[in-house]
Amino acid sequence: GESVGLHLPTLSVQEGDNSIINCAYSNSASDYFIWYKQESGKGPQFIIDIRSNMDKRQGQRVTVLLNKTVKHLSLQIAATQPGDSAVYFCAEKIAGANSKLTFGKGITLSVRP
Amino acid sequence: ETGVTQSPTHLIKTRGQQVTLRCSSQSGHNTVSWYQQALGQGPQFIFQYYREEENGRGNFPPRFSGLQFPNYSSELNVNALELDDSALYLCASSLNSHNEQFFGPGTRLTVL
Repeated sequence: GESVGLHLPTLSVQEGDNSIINCAYSNSASDYFIWYKQESGKGPQFIIDIRSNMDKRQGQRVTVLLNKTVKHLSLQIAATQPGDSAVYFCAEKIAGANSKLTFGKGITLSVRP
Repeated sequence: ETGVTQSPTHLIKTRGQQVTLRCSSQSGHNTVSWYQQALGQGPQFIFQYYREEENGRGNFPPRFSGLQFPNYSSELNVNALELDDSALYLCASSLNSHNEQFFGPGTRLTVL
């Protein structure tokens, strides 16, 4: 698999490989984190979330890891498929606020057949 | 599909005009949040409506205003349009103000 930070806009992986998308957040008060997938012409689609009292959460083919010490979030996609090609955003929410989500800039995942 | 619908899909306006965008929330959801997504950027929070009242606002000028109706559908109004208002406008509904948000497909606004 390959990993890249959000400062690099595109991640290209071979179909079947694992993908790792990283995100750094800045606000230590954030207590809820979400990964969204956005396909062309569509709104963001919820993938997986994690609360600050957890380090890891697994879904179907996806895993989110949270490292509060260094304010780092990652999304791992196992056995990447062509349908995973999209732009991925991490979003954070601050404790005590309304549901205002603060999004990162996003990274494009491109899956090579 | 999230059950959140937005209209229109696309819209072209000229600078100085006014625009109204509409959002129908998912059944049972009482909260609608609006976001602006410029090309190549992540969505930026505009404001949220919870049970017909504004419940938080992002860093947008007063010419961005909103409304939520008794059925929890919502409108976003933008007055005195500027070229930089060209973007994808997303609405998201949630069960309550602190719950997971489900996004609609967005309205693509182009200001000429």
